[in-house]
Amino acid sequence: AQSVTQLGSHVSVSEGALVLLRCNYSSSVPPYLFWYVQYPNQGLQLLLKYTSAATLVKGINGFEAEFKKSETSFHLTKPSAHMSDAAEYFCAVSVGAGGFKTIFGAGTRLFVKA
Amino acid sequence: NAGVTQTPKFQVLKTGQSMTLQCAQDMNHNSMYWYRQDPGMGLRLIYYSASEGTTDKGEVPNGYNVSRLNKREFSLRLESAAPSQTSVYFCASSRVPGQGGAYEQYFGPGTRLTVT
Repeated sequence: AQSVTQLGSHVSVSEGALVLLRCNYSSSVPPYLFWYVQYPNQGLQLLLKYTSAATLVKGINGFEAEFKKSETSFHLTKPSAHMSDAAEYFCAVSVGAGGFKTIFGAGTRLFVKA
Repeated sequence: NAGVTQTPKFQVLKTGQSMTLQCAQDMNHNSMYWYRQDPGMGLRLIYYSASEGTTDKGEVPNGYNVSRLNKREFSLRLESAAPSQTSVYFCASSRVPGQGGAYEQYFGPGTRLTVT
């Protein structure tokens, strides 16, 4: 069965520091992978997605993620954290016939210290 | 464009009461979804509708029913609410996954439901 594991339910960084949020997946077929962000009391918004066109994917707000098949990973990074990046981040994989069923990780809450 | 809208934003129910959560999208998407979000568990799919006229169970369908009223609207009904259904409910929509793979989903702002 497909699954998504996000390492670390909480991550704290200083403003200006590197952001690294980890995501590992398991899938028996080539996956379609996504990162979503959720700000307080809002719905999820797409940050970026991997659809096999390129292993390094750039998203909005300076985020990017690299698909590593050998490590079954899709970690999210940003070179320099900003206070506005404080939010919860979800890694997700689309599975099943037609890709309708999306499996979400448990989420990682990012705190940014001044 | 309003995107995906949900009503109500908040609701408190007593055990055994029923209610319907409404969702509408104006992006001309064919596929729509209902999720619940619980702390530490991410989002779990309750039901989805691949296209108008079809609905299918997701990961946690027990205790819920859905209706795809038309292309724009997809409602979620709790027939007899239970405390275990206390959660935040999100509706989402997307293009129909095709040969290019899965498409991203667009989410509504959520409904916070408490069952006492």
